[in-house]
Amino acid sequence: AQSVTQLDSQVPVFEEAPVELRCNYSSSVSVYLFWYVQYPNQGLQLLLKYLSGSTLVKGINGFEAEFNKSQTSFHLRKPSVHISDTAEYFCAVTPVGYGKLTFGQGTILTVHP
Amino acid sequence: NAGVTQTPKFQVLKTGQSMTLQCAQDMNHEYMSWYRQDPGMGLRLIHYSVGAGITDQGEVPNGYNVSRSTTEDFPLRLLSAAPSQTSVYFCASSYSHFREKLFFGSGTQLSVL
Repeated sequence: AQSVTQLDSQVPVFEEAPVELRCNYSSSVSVYLFWYVQYPNQGLQLLLKYLSGSTLVKGINGFEAEFNKSQTSFHLRKPSVHISDTAEYFCAVTPVGYGKLTFGQGTILTVHP
Repeated sequence: NAGVTQTPKFQVLKTGQSMTLQCAQDMNHEYMSWYRQDPGMGLRLIHYSVGAGITDQGEVPNGYNVSRSTTEDFPLRLLSAAPSQTSVYFCASSYSHFREKLFFGSGTQLSVL
C-alpha cells in the first residue's frame, strides 16, 4: 500500500514571498503524483500532476512541483504568492495502473498582506 | 456541463437513521468515487467504481453502501448513521482510474447527532 505525508499542516507567508509545500510518499511500485487545491467551501481542483518524463512539472496559477524519486518527494513551489493562493493544498499518489488515489493530510497555506 | 453534482449540500441526521447521498456526473466518466474529509486527515476513499455494475471498497468502507446501475449516478448509502460519520463527503469522477484528474463535486456536510 502507498502512503503520503505532508510535512507541514500550516504554512503562513507574506504576499509576494516564495513558498514550498512539502510532500513525501511511500510506495513499493511506481506511482503517479498529484497536487490538488481546495478553496474555502469548495471541492478540490487539480493543480498539476506527474505521470512520467521531466521531473519538473508546471501547473496552473504559477505553481510547479519537482519529482525526486531517490528522496520519494514531490514538493510544490511558487516563486511569488498572492492573497488569492490562500487555500488548503493536498498531495496525492496512486500506483501506476491501479486506481486508488491516496491523499495526504493537507497543508493550509495562508498568505498575509 | 454541470460537472459533478452532489445533493444535498447539508444534512443533519439522528443516530441510527439511514440516508442516501446523491452524486451525478454528465461527463460520461467511467470512474466515480466517494471520499470523506475530516480535519487533519485529508481525504479518505470510501468506495469507488470503475464502471456501471462494478464497485469496490476503499480505505474506510464500513457503514456505507454503494451501487452503480448507470454511468451517470453513484449514490452513497449510510445504513445506520453514527456520530463517527459526521464529516464532509465528496464525490469525484474521472475518464479512467489510472492517470486522469479527478473532478470533484462541491461536497455534502453531514452531521450525525
